[in-house]
Amino acid sequence: GAGVSQSPSNKVTEKGKDVELRCDPISGHTALYWYRQSLGQGLEFLIYFQGNSAPDKSGLPSDRFSAERTGGSVSTLTIQRTQQEDSAVYLCASSLWGPTDTQYFGPGTRLTVL
Amino acid sequence: QKEVEQNSGPLSVPEGAIASLNCTYSDRVSQSFFWYRQYSGKSPELIMSIYSNGDKEDGRFTAQLNKASQYVSLLIRDSQPSDSATYLCAVNQGGSSNTGKLIFGQGTTLQVKP
Repeated sequence: GAGVSQSPSNKVTEKGKDVELRCDPISGHTALYWYRQSLGQGLEFLIYFQGNSAPDKSGLPSDRFSAERTGGSVSTLTIQRTQQEDSAVYLCASSLWGPTDTQYFGPGTRLTVL
Repeated sequence: QKEVEQNSGPLSVPEGAIASLNCTYSDRVSQSFFWYRQYSGKSPELIMSIYSNGDKEDGRFTAQLNKASQYVSLLIRDSQPSDSATYLCAVNQGGSSNTGKLIFGQGTTLQVKP
């Protein structure tokens, strides 16, 4: 596609529910990244994929967060037993080769946990 | 000490003036540096990338990198009201720890007044 796409654009859920966020990177991009941005805050790195493997999961805030990437393309970020502090905009980015390349961001998914 | 530091601002300049945005970083072996612009409610978009010491110019934008002093700056000439946004400095960790993590500063809010 022309750019990184994410779905849903908005998600409202109740505390304790599980949510899945999806990211479609730019076609041909081998690296994929997840970040989150809380209101008025900077971007917080969550996880990075090179192909289907995740060399760096250090940013995942707890074991309630997990992510996978299949076929070297689409990625899903799953948050189990959501908490109110999980409310944020979750941003996905992709780059052509890897970490030193420019990362292009998707529009984000705004998650609200009630 | 934060890994990437920016003055949160707001930085207010009159239309037509030069806006100077600064960023310092702590990881001495960092190799890749990026400036992103983020409009309110939107995802970050790349303005400039710089990898070598010195200046890099692109239209009204000039990025400056000084690895010895561990700072990177962005100059915006002939500032326009449409330049009003938050500018995020991002640094990719270099050397053996290069795992894909792009560390973002908190961002500097720029206001260009007509």
